[in-house]
Amino acid sequence: AQTVTQSQPEMSVQEAETVTLSCTYDTSESNYYLFWYKQPPSRQMILVIRQEAYKQQNATENRFSVNFQKAAKSFSLKISDSQLGDTAMYFCALCPGNTPLVFGKGTRLSVIA
Amino acid sequence: EPEVTQTPSHQVTQMGQEVILRCVPISNHLYFYWYRQILGQKVEFLVSFYNNEISEKSEIFDDQFSVERPDGSNFTLKIRSTKLEDSAMYFCASRVQMNTEAFFGQGTRLTVV
Repeated sequence: AQTVTQSQPEMSVQEAETVTLSCTYDTSESNYYLFWYKQPPSRQMILVIRQEAYKQQNATENRFSVNFQKAAKSFSLKISDSQLGDTAMYFCALCPGNTPLVFGKGTRLSVIA
Repeated sequence: EPEVTQTPSHQVTQMGQEVILRCVPISNHLYFYWYRQILGQKVEFLVSFYNNEISEKSEIFDDQFSVERPDGSNFTLKIRSTKLEDSAMYFCASRVQMNTEAFFGQGTRLTVV
């Protein structure tokens, strides 16, 4: 079974500070992808960043970066220089092999002015 | 930029009525999905569709649910006889191939009264 665990239901960060959201996963597949999606109050699902499991280099997308630890099955998201518009629900998702995405329960992030 | 579009954005229906949720996936995508998110909860997989047939479905996707791609562009989810517990946000997603990110529509908020 494929599982994704986000252990932080809620987090808050001061504007301009850095915050890290945790995610762990479990899969028996050797070939898989990992994603972070953002869901703002509008409730649309927006892709933030993706990581291919076969790549050792951590993905980076502007202020967003990941710390991918394959052996530990950990995939955390770091948001630098947090902005008020980063306030949202963040979902970690696993795409194991040829199967649909599996989502974690989400972390609600509040950026405080 | 191509996007997945869903209609309607919000639907209110009486318990026991049939509803059809509509989606137009991105044109060159081959894999289509429906997910649902009960308010405040995780995003749950319902069904995947490829090559004009269901490729995988979850235990949530019982006989009350059906999907169709009637005209090569639309992708619909039908709930035959709605229940109160079907109230949720329903997301359509598509991707060009397996092991790539899924692009989500903006969702349809279904309220069953």
